[in-house]
Amino acid sequence: AQSVTQPDIHITVSEGASLELRCNYSYGATPYLFWYVQSPGQGLQLLLKYFSGDTLVQGIKGFEAEFKRSQSSFNLRKPSVHWSDAAEYFCAVVGEDGQGGKLIFGQGTELSVKP
Amino acid sequence: GAGVSQSPRYKVAKRGQDVALRCDPISGHVSLFWYQQALGQGPEFLTYFQNEAQLDKSGLPSDRFFAERPEGSVSTLKIQRTQQEDSAVYLCASSTRLAGGIRHEQFFGPGTRLTVL
Repeated sequence: AQSVTQPDIHITVSEGASLELRCNYSYGATPYLFWYVQSPGQGLQLLLKYFSGDTLVQGIKGFEAEFKRSQSSFNLRKPSVHWSDAAEYFCAVVGEDGQGGKLIFGQGTELSVKP
Repeated sequence: GAGVSQSPRYKVAKRGQDVALRCDPISGHVSLFWYQQALGQGPEFLTYFQNEAQLDKSGLPSDRFFAERPEGSVSTLKIQRTQQEDSAVYLCASSTRLAGGIRHEQFFGPGTRLTVL
């Protein structure tokens, strides 16, 4: 069965520093991968997605992610973190056995930003 | 236009009570999903509708959970005889869907936080 693992439950970075959030997936075929961000009391907002093609994808708010099939990873990166980036980040993959594109999420990584 | 809306935003229920959670998807979105997000966890899939048809309910944790979307727009998630383990945030998402359209972004509502005492 498909699964998504986010090894880091909580990460703290200084404002202006670079960021990398890890995501590993288990999937039988070519995965469709997503990163979502969730601010307190808010719904999930899509940051970026990977379906095929270029393995480096650009998203909103200056985020990017790189798909590495050999490592079964889809890590999220940002070169310079802003205080407003503090939130919960979820990696997700589309379930291959369901219809309509149900998402399978990782546990999430909480990002704190130090001034 | 407006995004996905959910009501109520917060619900407190006594154990054993029935609750109904409402989701208003984005107008014209044919696909609708429900997810359950326990504290400190990622969302977990509950059920999926395409228009009024419930095509996948494999994630519903028990027969106390029931979802409907009778006219293909608004959806209601009903939980009967609530238990403490049902306490979670219930998220609704909608998306457009074309044939084979699993690539379409799901737009999430703010969720309903259910607390069962």
